[in-house]
Amino acid sequence: DADVTQTPRNRITKTGKRIMLECSQTKGHDRMYWYRQDPGLGLRLIYYSFDVKDINKGEISDGYSVSRQAQAKFSLSLESAIPNQTALYFCATSDRTGARSYNEQFFGPGTRLTVL
Amino acid sequence: AQRVTQPEKLLSVFKGAPVELKCNYSYSGSPELFWYVQYSRQRLQLLLRHISRESIKGFTADLNKGETSFHLKKPFAQEEDSAMYYCALSGISTDKLIFGTGTRLQVFP
Repeated sequence: DADVTQTPRNRITKTGKRIMLECSQTKGHDRMYWYRQDPGLGLRLIYYSFDVKDINKGEISDGYSVSRQAQAKFSLSLESAIPNQTALYFCATSDRTGARSYNEQFFGPGTRLTVL
Repeated sequence: AQRVTQPEKLLSVFKGAPVELKCNYSYSGSPELFWYVQYSRQRLQLLLRHISRESIKGFTADLNKGETSFHLKKPFAQEEDSAMYYCALSGISTDKLIFGTGTRLQVFP
């Protein structure tokens, strides 16, 4: 089955460390997204990419960077991790079909990141 | 400002009772509205979208533009409906989703 995968699934790190979270998809979708989920705050968009050459900031991009290495891969980096970046991180993909965008987003299983 | 509001963090009902999960939105234009669901130990997944006017697992949601609401309803809740429910919107020309803070539905036997 076509899928969205995230690695690692769990990570504990220390303040100041550089961390990379990876997302891969076999759905053939053009569009990829990174969200973080915090209790009581829902999901918030960090970055999104509509194709390999198109990367855009979401609502909470400060402290994060991304790389779209290929259509199927979209990585999220924390250059210098801090404790308030402790959260559950989700990657998602979607496909653009037709002139209007009613596209479903397909989510990965999530990466639980703890910054000590 | 674009915003999705889910006023209830937790909604607890007994099996067989009606359920309504509230969602209100703020958007300048005509948004697309969605409900996503996250069952325990499963991925977040689309439950339904307003444009489809469909009923999924007995759930329906009607877009009320006058009240800017998209409440999710089910006449008879089942235990397997227990999950986290997120309302979300996107604009016509974008796939970006704006999520609400979510409502946890607990259905007791």
